[in-house]
Order: sequence, then structure tokens, then C-alpha cells
Amino acid sequence: DIQMTQSPSSVSASVGDRVTITCRASQGIKTWLAWYQQKPGTAPKLLIYAASSLQSGVPSRFSGSGSGTDFTLTISSLQPEDFATYFCQQANSFPRTFGQGTKVEIK
Amino acid sequence: QVQLQESGPGLVKPSQTLSLTCTVSGGSISSGGYYWSWIRQHPGKGLEWIGYIYYSGSTYYNPSLKSRVTISVDTSKNQFSLKLSSVTAADTAVYYCAREVVIAANGWFDPWGQGTLVTVSS
Repeated sequence: DIQMTQSPSSVSASVGDRVTITCRASQGIKTWLAWYQQKPGTAPKLLIYAASSLQSGVPSRFSGSGSGTDFTLTISSLQPEDFATYFCQQANSFPRTFGQGTKVEIK
Repeated sequence: QVQLQESGPGLVKPSQTLSLTCTVSGGSISSGGYYWSWIRQHPGKGLEWIGYIYYSGSTYYNPSLKSRVTISVDTSKNQFSLKLSSVTAADTAVYYCAREVVIAANGWFDPWGQGTLVTVSS
């Protein structure tokens, strides 16, 4: 199985801050990576697919980059509705696997 | 737009079989290019992919659960189902159904159902 490791596990930030979350795959996955946002009590929501493609309807302050084993999710200017947990997912092989999550908290 | 909704018992006794159904609305489960998937999330934990079914009936399961999992599809009802046998407390989780958008066997999940909490307890 491909292991996905996110860092940090949590981050405290203020509205307007730039936030960067990292995801590392245990082997190369080209650009087959997705990012999700999950708020308490709700299902994950797709934000980014194919490492850098923005899902329709997702604000442009979200962006993704990377290839191979190292990927990043950036929120350029944190908004109140962005406080949530973010997961990466490798889309390259089965079984599909997810990172352990990064919780973005209010500072 | 496509919506998914899980249904099934919220409480299952140890050693019994967990059974859930996902009803798809706003689109046909027989559309090509999608895998219909089950994913679970243990309380306060990360996400674990369980497996998928294609509308033709072909399946792929997580090896960690393969011996206990069966996913089936009913295209006439636009539903797919999950059965997990011999459950223990470790199977207590929120179970999600999701559509995997697939490109050359690579894929990501959108949309997801709202999730249903299944508790294993006597």
C-alpha cells in the first residue's frame, strides 16, 4: 500500500493568513493526488484533483502543487469558513489511501 | 447533480453482518467512468477505503478487509450495497458511499453521501 503522510497534523492560523499543508507519498504517484476538506459532522468535500486542478465551485484561494512524492495544498488567505480538517488521497493505485489529516484551527 | 444517500441499521451486534445501501439520485449508476465506492472513518480518525463496484459488477476490495467484504449493485434501483461480515467493535465507524471519478484507473471521490454511523455493540 502507498502510505500518505501529512504535515503538520494541526496548524493554528488567523483569518487572512497563508496556510500550507504538505502531503508525502511513500512512492511516486505522478500527479495522481486529491485534496479534501472536512468540517465536523459532514462528509469530505473534494477541493483539488490531479494535484493542481481546482474542483468546480471551489474558491480560487485554494491551490495545489507537486508531483512524484511531495505535494502541497495552499490556502492563500484563510477565511472563517476554511477552518476544517484537510486530507490528501493518492489516486494512483489500489487500495486508495488517505493522509491522516491536518486540522486548521483558529489562532 | 448526482447525490448519494446511505441507509441501513445504525447498530449491529458483534459477529453479525453489517449491511448498508447507497441510493444514487440525479444520475445513472450505469454511467461509465465511475467506480461506486465505500469508505469509512473511525471516530475522530482518518479515512479508510473499503472497495468499489463498477456498474457491470466488477469489484475491488481493500486487501485488509477483503475476506469480510461484499459490494453489490442493483442498476434497476440505482443502488449499490455493502456487506461486512463478522463485525467487531473495531468496525464501529461512519460509513460513506462515494462516486469515484476515474481516469485510466486513477481516481478521486466526488460526491460523497452524508455518511451513516454504524456502532457494533451487543
